[in-house]
Amino acid sequence: DAGVTQSPTHLIKTRGQQVTLRCSPISGHKSVSWYQQVLGQGPQFIFQYYEKEERGRGNFPDRFSARQFPNYSSELNVNALLLGDSALYLCASSFPGAGETQYFGPGTRLLVL
Amino acid sequence: QKEVEQNSGPLSVPEGAIASLNCTYSDRVSQSFFWYRQYSGKSPELIMSIYSNGDKEDGRFTAQLNKASQYVSLLIRDSQPSDSATYLCAVNTGNQFYFGTGTSLTVIP
Repeated sequence: DAGVTQSPTHLIKTRGQQVTLRCSPISGHKSVSWYQQVLGQGPQFIFQYYEKEERGRGNFPDRFSARQFPNYSSELNVNALLLGDSALYLCASSFPGAGETQYFGPGTRLLVL
Repeated sequence: QKEVEQNSGPLSVPEGAIASLNCTYSDRVSQSFFWYRQYSGKSPELIMSIYSNGDKEDGRFTAQLNKASQYVSLLIRDSQPSDSATYLCAVNTGNQFYFGTGTSLTVIP
């Protein structure tokens, strides 16, 4: 079975621009979470969606938004990009219950110039 | 206080030795606990999950959980050079996953 997929793999943007990242969960998983990981740090929780509803939100500004579609895929949008938004953006999918083990996609590496 | 704390290392062990990685967490209502391995430039991959006090073994890996002490550990037996990576401890409080900053492990041939 295919794992979590993310697109694009790499992205270069300039300050002030907007970016959309995409994620498809493992088949059968209904929950998607987004994380930001900067170099040398652990992943920081941004959002979790389950059945198209926001289930949790981390400590990120309103420039960050997300949504989940009926097929459980998800998009993360970041507006008004700042240099500090340069990071690896990770998507993880899980099936609620069973400890909600999360499985990560390969990530999208975003560079803001 | 950080939700999840790990020794950042780096930790170096010779090939064949036991590597011991430690993690403490602050939220007593934490429900499930995970260890992930992350190679440089790659995404985290799940090693083990643990939900109950005690030990859980999977091959060369043993996770230990002590909820009273709010402590989770990972032992890697017969360490191999391919185990060289950053190990992330993660805690699920029911609302969020919190990750530590990771411990960098180097296994020396």
